[in-house]
Amino acid sequence: DIQMTQSPSSLSASVGDRVTITCRASQGISNYLAWYQQKPGKVPKLLIYAASTLQSGVPSRFSGSGSGTDFTLTISSLQPEDVATYYCQKYNSAPPNTFGQGTKLEIK
Amino acid sequence: EVQLLESGGGLVQPGGSLRLSCAASGFTFSSYAMSWVRQAPGKGLEWVSAISGSGGSTYYADSVKGRFTISRDNSKNTLYLQMNSLRAEDTAVYYCAKNIRDSSGWVYWYFDLWGRGTLVTVSS
Repeated sequence: DIQMTQSPSSLSASVGDRVTITCRASQGISNYLAWYQQKPGKVPKLLIYAASTLQSGVPSRFSGSGSGTDFTLTISSLQPEDVATYYCQKYNSAPPNTFGQGTKLEIK
Repeated sequence: EVQLLESGGGLVQPGGSLRLSCAASGFTFSSYAMSWVRQAPGKGLEWVSAISGSGGSTYYADSVKGRFTISRDNSKNTLYLQMNSLRAEDTAVYYCAKNIRDSSGWVYWYFDLWGRGTLVTVSS
């Protein structure tokens, strides 16, 4: 099975900072990658699919890039409401569709 | 309103069984593959099981294969997860989630809608 590895596991940044989270697949998955945001005590929310397509209603400060094995989620200007854990998920084939282990983002 | 509502969680002893349900509303349930995803306390997301829109294809994580059974009743717009031989490590919030389907019917196995989850605690 393909493994998904996120880095870093946790991250602290200041409001207004540019933040980048990385997700690496153990094998190529083309652009079949989704990103989710899970705020504390809340349900996961889809942010990005197809590696770079923003889900409707998601602020434009979020962006995604990558293809093959290496992907990034970028927040161009960190806001207080972005405090959350972020997960990547591959979906290049029928299940299992593994998640990364998560990146916890905090405000410095 | 488009929503998913899980039920059936609770406290169960190791070796016991539970059946989770997920009631769907606001979309054509039978047109969409559905999945269960769990999250142990303080841990990350773990995909558990998935089922095609017709129910004809099912998929399981290795960690639950042979113990859990996913099913659906499209006449009732409801997804199920029968969990047998439960272990302490199955303790988690269980979410049902809706997969994506494009206009040609192709299924994409990521999730655009999640329920609020139901807590399963396996403990003596």
